[in-house]
Amino acid sequence: QSALTQPASVSGSPGQSITISCTGTSSDVGSYNLVSWYQEHPGKAPKVVIYEVSKRPSGVSNRFSGSKSGNTASLTISGLQAEDEADYYCCSYAGTGTSFGGGTKLTVL
Amino acid sequence: EVQLLDSGGDFVQPGGSLRLSCAASGFTFGGYAMTWVRQAPGKGLEWVSSISGSADSTYYANSVKGRFTISRDNSRNTLFLQMNSLRAEDTAVYYCATGGLYGDFFTWGQGTLVTVSS
Repeated sequence: QSALTQPASVSGSPGQSITISCTGTSSDVGSYNLVSWYQEHPGKAPKVVIYEVSKRPSGVSNRFSGSKSGNTASLTISGLQAEDEADYYCCSYAGTGTSFGGGTKLTVL
Repeated sequence: EVQLLDSGGDFVQPGGSLRLSCAASGFTFGGYAMTWVRQAPGKGLEWVSSISGSADSTYYANSVKGRFTISRDNSRNTLFLQMNSLRAEDTAVYYCATGGLYGDFFTWGQGTLVTVSS
């Protein structure tokens, strides 16, 4: 149950695209297509934006997309908007439990 | 509307116990695995424990194994987390969420604060 590795922060201007990486191991991200991503605004509960690597829940903007290659998963947000500024966490099934990443703070410049 | 309402958080001394509850509504509670996730002040999310819909399978993070017990009462649509031998490092906002080990946490409660301090 080791934490997944995410960059501490990323930033982008409105309209641009950004990608947040999430690096795990062959025991979690690399072995299962069960990576999810959560958006958390200050003082609010997390909200799922991507599940099962690349699926988008109903109601989530199609500006959010997910992918995976080997032991690394990625969340891409295109057409950045001010409301996207938040913390983002990846999460992966790890066989005997579930692991979260340390979180990435997205700043919209 | 699918809703989860967390409760039970409090201030407790090290070594003490607390039981959290999560009241569910708007969906067939017994048909879903449920999970507790916590977030220490200023820190990231940490998976704590999950339970299957029928309660026949439970799973725990190494950090709480042997001290915390997850359970559910499907007749009352309620999820529980019994926390014993609490430590300062257990201080966090605790969220209940629908979904199990696979990380499909589609709905979250509002969170309940547990503070462990002398």
